[in-house]
Amino acid sequence: AQTVTQSQPEMSVQEAETVTLSCTYDTSESDYYLFWYKQPPSRQMILVIRQEAYKQQNATENRFSVNFQKAAKSFSLKISDSQLGDAAMYFCAYRSPLSGNQFYFGTGTSLTVIP
Amino acid sequence: DVKVTQSSRYLVKRTGEKVFLECVQDMDHENMFWYRQDPGLGLRLIYFSYDVKMKEKGDIPEGYSVSREKKERFSLILESASTNQTSMYLCASSTQRGGQYFGPGTRLTVL
Repeated sequence: AQTVTQSQPEMSVQEAETVTLSCTYDTSESDYYLFWYKQPPSRQMILVIRQEAYKQQNATENRFSVNFQKAAKSFSLKISDSQLGDAAMYFCAYRSPLSGNQFYFGTGTSLTVIP
Repeated sequence: DVKVTQSSRYLVKRTGEKVFLECVQDMDHENMFWYRQDPGLGLRLIYFSYDVKMKEKGDIPEGYSVSREKKERFSLILESASTNQTSMYLCASSTQRGGQYFGPGTRLTVL
C-alpha cells in the first residue's frame, strides 16, 4: 500500500496571511494523481485541488495552490489570503491506476484561522 | 451540480442489529467507496467497487459487507453491529482518474 504522510497535525494562520500544509508520499509508480481535500467542522468533505504527476506545472485554484516536487515526493498546499471559512481539516490523498484505483489518505492537518 | 447522498445523517442501533447504510450518486461514476473516519486515524477504506456487482476489500473489511446492484447505488452492511463500529461513515464516488466526491456522512452509534 502507498503511504501518505502529513506531519503537521495542527496548524494556525492569521486571517489574510498565507499558510502552507505539508504532505509527502511514498511510491515507486510514475503515473499517479494527488489531491487535497477540505473537511470543515461537521460538514462534507470537498475536493480542493488536483495534480497529475506527469504535469510539471503546479495546479492552482483561486487562493489555493500546490508545490509539487515529484523527485522529493512532496505535495504541499498553499493557502493565500486566508479566510475564516478556510478553517477545516485538510487531507492529502494519492491515487494510482496501477494500485487498483484506490485512494490513500494522510491523517489530516487541522487548520485554525485566527481573526 | 454533482451529488452523493447517504440515507441517514445520524443513526443509532443496538449491538447485534443488522445495519444498512445506503449511498447514491448521480454522476454516472464507475467507482464507489466506503470509508470510516475516526479521530486521529483519518479515513480508512472499508470496501470499494469499480463496477456493478464488483467489489474489493479495503483495509478494514472485517464485520462489513457491501452490495452494488446498480451503478448509482452502493450499500454498506454491518451484519451484526458492535460497539467498536461506532464511527462516521463516508461514501464517495469517482471516475477512473478523477478525484472523489463525498457524501455528507452517516454518524453511526452502536449501543
